[in-house]
Order: sequence, then C-alpha cells, then structure tokens
Amino acid sequence: AQKVTQAQTEISVVEKEDVTLDCVYETRDTTYYLFWYKQPPSGELVFLIRRNSFDEQNEISGRYSWNFQKSTSSFNFTITASQVVDSAVYFCALFYTGTASKLTFGTGTRLQVTL
Amino acid sequence: KAGVTQTPRYLIKTRGQQVTLSCSPISGHRSVSWYQQTPGQGLQFLFEYFSETQRNKGNFPGRFSGRQFSNSRSEMNVSTLELGDSALYLCASSPGLEPYEQYFGPGTRLTVT
Repeated sequence: AQKVTQAQTEISVVEKEDVTLDCVYETRDTTYYLFWYKQPPSGELVFLIRRNSFDEQNEISGRYSWNFQKSTSSFNFTITASQVVDSAVYFCALFYTGTASKLTFGTGTRLQVTL
Repeated sequence: KAGVTQTPRYLIKTRGQQVTLSCSPISGHRSVSWYQQTPGQGLQFLFEYFSETQRNKGNFPGRFSGRQFSNSRSEMNVSTLELGDSALYLCASSPGLEPYEQYFGPGTRLTVT
C-alpha cells in the first residue's frame, strides 16, 4: 500500500525561526516520485519540488531545503528564517508508477508564522 | 501562460441534485486529474484523464464521473448529491503521463444542503 504520513498537524513559529516539516512515506515500488505542495489560504496548491527515488541529493532553493533519505523513507522540508508569507498548509505527496499511478497526499501540516 | 482555470468557483446545491464542474488545463497540457479535498478525508484522488481517456480512478462511487474533450478541457459530474459531497474540488493538469509536477487550479467549492 502507498501511504504518506505527516505527523505534525500544526506548527507555530515566530518569524525568522527555522522550521522543519516531516514527511514519511510507504511504498513497495522501487521507482517513485515525491512532491511537496503549498496551499496558502487562497486554496490553490502550489508546486514546490519533485524528487525521484533514484536521486537522494538534498536540494536547496533560497530559504527552502529538502532532505530525502531512502533509508528512513523520509522527505523532510525545512524553511530557514521563516516569514509570515510562509503561513500555509504544506502537503507531501507520493507518485508511484504502478498500474494505478496517481498522486497520494499526506494529511498536510499547517504552518503558522507570527511576528 | 494562463494557469489552470476552474468554473464555477463556488456552488451551492441541494441533496439529490446533480452538478457539473469544469476545468481548463494549461495550454499544451494533455493530462487532467481531479481531487476532492475535505477536512475529514484530506486530498483524495478522483480520476485522471489523458487524451480523452480515463486512465485511473480513485475509490469513489459511480455517482462521480468525468470526461475529457479533444481540447483537453475536462468536466466532472456528481449525480444524486449527498451532504458528504460538500468539498473543494481541485483540478490539476500536467504535460503528459510521466510524473511531472501537477499544476492545480483554484478549485470549486461545492456546498450541498
């Protein structure tokens, strides 16, 4: 079974703090893709990153960074020096290329950044 | 490039009615997927269309159906609406069948009373 677990339901931080959002996934496939999406209050899901199962390199994009570890089936997302505009719900998702390929989302983590 | 557009943005229907939601993908994108988002169940995959063919379907009853037209625009239909169908329905498009990133529209907020 394919499953994505985001154990943190809600996180509150003060602006400029660093914050890490956890994502643990389960799949029997050897080929799969992991995604992070941001859903601001407007409701539209915004793509942040895609990583395939063969690429364990960490990635940094500005204040965002991602740590992919196959050994622990985790794909964690860190925001450095958080800002109020980072307040949103963040979803981790797994795309597997089986007979019924589809995107399976975690339950999301609501991040609240305050001044 | 224009993003994914969904119409209508908000809809209020009565139990037992049916509803049709529309999605226009990004120009050049041939794959359209639909998701239902509710506070209780989160984001759940409904179905995916590519070149007018349904490729995959999620675990939803037959009251939920969809189609894709030759211009890649897609519609989803829900018949005999139930209170539990109240949700945000999101449409996403991607260039093709590979696991490209999906670009989401703003959603249609359906309220069933």
